[in-house]
Amino acid sequence: NAGVTQTPKFQVLKTGQSMTLQCAQDMNHNSMYWYRQDPGMGLRLIYYSASEGTTDKGEVPNGYNVSRLNKREFSLRLESAAPSQTSVYFCASSESGVNQPQHFGDGTRLSIL
Amino acid sequence: GENVEQHPSTLSVQEGDSAVIKCTYSDSASNYFPWYKQELGKRPQLIIDIRSNVGEKKDQRIAVTLNKTAKHFSLHITETQPEDSAVYFCAAAGAGSYQLTFGKGTKLSVIP
Repeated sequence: NAGVTQTPKFQVLKTGQSMTLQCAQDMNHNSMYWYRQDPGMGLRLIYYSASEGTTDKGEVPNGYNVSRLNKREFSLRLESAAPSQTSVYFCASSESGVNQPQHFGDGTRLSIL
Repeated sequence: GENVEQHPSTLSVQEGDSAVIKCTYSDSASNYFPWYKQELGKRPQLIIDIRSNVGEKKDQRIAVTLNKTAKHFSLHITETQPEDSAVYFCAAAGAGSYQLTFGKGTKLSVIP
């Protein structure tokens, strides 16, 4: 039982390049989330998907798009990467309904030069 | 939107002592308050959570208290051990909301 799996673990991009971060969960969870973590800033929600077929903006959605491919998979896309998007990105999932514990993946460390 | 303040930003304690981390929130409608532990280079892991209909919750050496009137909640770790050293994050979610708002974290160091 892998839980939440993120790929890749590390990536270096040049400014202007595009990239898709992948996330998959095997816990049969309905809800999935994308966060970014910057030093001294805690975790900030980028987008979330309450259930398959729905996505909503979080606190910091600008510069990102998401796709809920199916119940297991939720991807995050950077169309034109900027140095300000250098961060650690975490995917999480939770059971159906609000206020459920969220389970995190190991993160993707993304550097944009 | 919700705002969560967390204090202190760093905390050093001697092994065996207690540690207390405090958070305040701004949205009186918030009703779910989880705490996460993150070791260096690792994922955040849920260690305990509390809902607004409960004032206190314990799990072995960890406890969380909630004061809805004052809009603050606290994490208490007793008999600290070196493996408790990590960054701890509090978070809050509003009624009917999927969104967690996190505090900026507390780096706890337990000195052997």
